[in-house]
Amino acid sequence: DGGITQSPKYLFRKEGQNVTLSCEQNLNHDAMYWYRQDPGQGLRLIYYSQIVNDFQKGDIAEGYSVSREKKESFPLTVTSAQKNPTAFYLCASSQLAGGPLNEQFFGPGTRLTVL
Amino acid sequence: SQQGEEDPQALSIQEGENATMNCSYKTSINNLQWYRQNSGRGLVHLILIRSNEREKHSGRLRVTLDTSKKSSSLLITASRAADTASYFCATDASRDDKIIFGKGTRLHILP
Repeated sequence: DGGITQSPKYLFRKEGQNVTLSCEQNLNHDAMYWYRQDPGQGLRLIYYSQIVNDFQKGDIAEGYSVSREKKESFPLTVTSAQKNPTAFYLCASSQLAGGPLNEQFFGPGTRLTVL
Repeated sequence: SQQGEEDPQALSIQEGENATMNCSYKTSINNLQWYRQNSGRGLVHLILIRSNEREKHSGRLRVTLDTSKKSSSLLITASRAADTASYFCATDASRDDKIIFGKGTRLHILP
């Protein structure tokens, strides 16, 4: 059953803590993305990766870090430097064929709340 | 940076009516995509229209693209309760590998 999974579904963090959100895909997609969504808003790109061991900053990378050690996995760490981390985090993947971007496949999301 | 802007921000219609949402963007694109998001869930891809296409259909969905006006519309015909969701357009800038989402239109289908 192919797809993209995120865990956990809900995450609570104390101020000053780092937390890591998991994202795994078995679609054999080259590209993976992390977005942040605030209530009633669209998606803002945090980081994206087009190939293993390489990633680029999106529009709001400050206070976040990522790694791409395996094609299937793209974990996101929300660091204590992120001042307002409470949000809904969405991971996505897509196939890159060198031409126009294909559709993105999304995970179910992780809702992070800072206590 | 916001590339696509949907209009209206919210829309309520009776079940069975048609729903039309619009998206305007600023720079030239390779393609434009529409996605649906049910409350608290991930996004689901609906349809992709390329810059050299003017209209595309998929089931009850009809998408148009006017590159001269830098705008697109999504029409959902014969709406159903299950169509209640937020709808986002996403565009890719011609010289960039990213796609940029608008803020979405919240569609509510009334019984």
